[in-house]
Amino acid sequence: QKEVEQNSGPLSVPEGAIASLNCTYSDRGSQSFFWYRQYSGKSPELIMFIYSNGDKEDGRFTAQLNKASQYVSLLIRDSQPSDSATYLCAVIGAGRRALTFGSGTRLQVQP
Amino acid sequence: DVKVTQSSRYLVKRTGEKVFLECVQDMDHENMFWYRQDPGLGLRLIYFSYDVKMKEKGDIPEGYSVSREKKERFSLILESASTNQTSMYLCASSLSTGFAEAFFGQGTRLTVV
Repeated sequence: QKEVEQNSGPLSVPEGAIASLNCTYSDRGSQSFFWYRQYSGKSPELIMFIYSNGDKEDGRFTAQLNKASQYVSLLIRDSQPSDSATYLCAVIGAGRRALTFGSGTRLQVQP
Repeated sequence: DVKVTQSSRYLVKRTGEKVFLECVQDMDHENMFWYRQDPGLGLRLIYFSYDVKMKEKGDIPEGYSVSREKKERFSLILESASTNQTSMYLCASSLSTGFAEAFFGQGTRLTVV
């Protein structure tokens, strides 16, 4: 079992819709959770981080964390074509310093 | 803004060569990391360093070594490059306190022929 799992996609949504990206992790002691966006040929850039159960909103983005079920999700409201990218879920496991990444979900927003 | 700079954007090396990838960060971060990214496999941790001269193996350290002589600089060394080391290499840095996010350099696309 991979430590961090994501559906590779592509996830295709129409412009203006809500895109929902999901991630599950295996280390129950994980403390911190991150969503990165990566455009083709570019390096990952941080979108959001979340540490506590529940929702965290930042503009059009909402991160949701459920530690009991070991999943993290990212909702993108009013999706734009510029949101088309690969979204990487990353986790810092218990007692660790480095991020462990999922393989990413490719999002396509259709104009 | 945090800046993480990798010395080369593209590199082409021959099988058996010793290859050095350099990374410099300007935010006084304690932690520095080297990842490689391959299609379908995501980012995999090669090595990381949490202090000068301190290092720990990541998930795929075989065939690689690292050096951190100064806090701002972290080097990845391919002792004898092989074709299966053709990949995108990403350097990152983070603070050691709290649950700090990692900031990435622009990446080095290495091709071993």
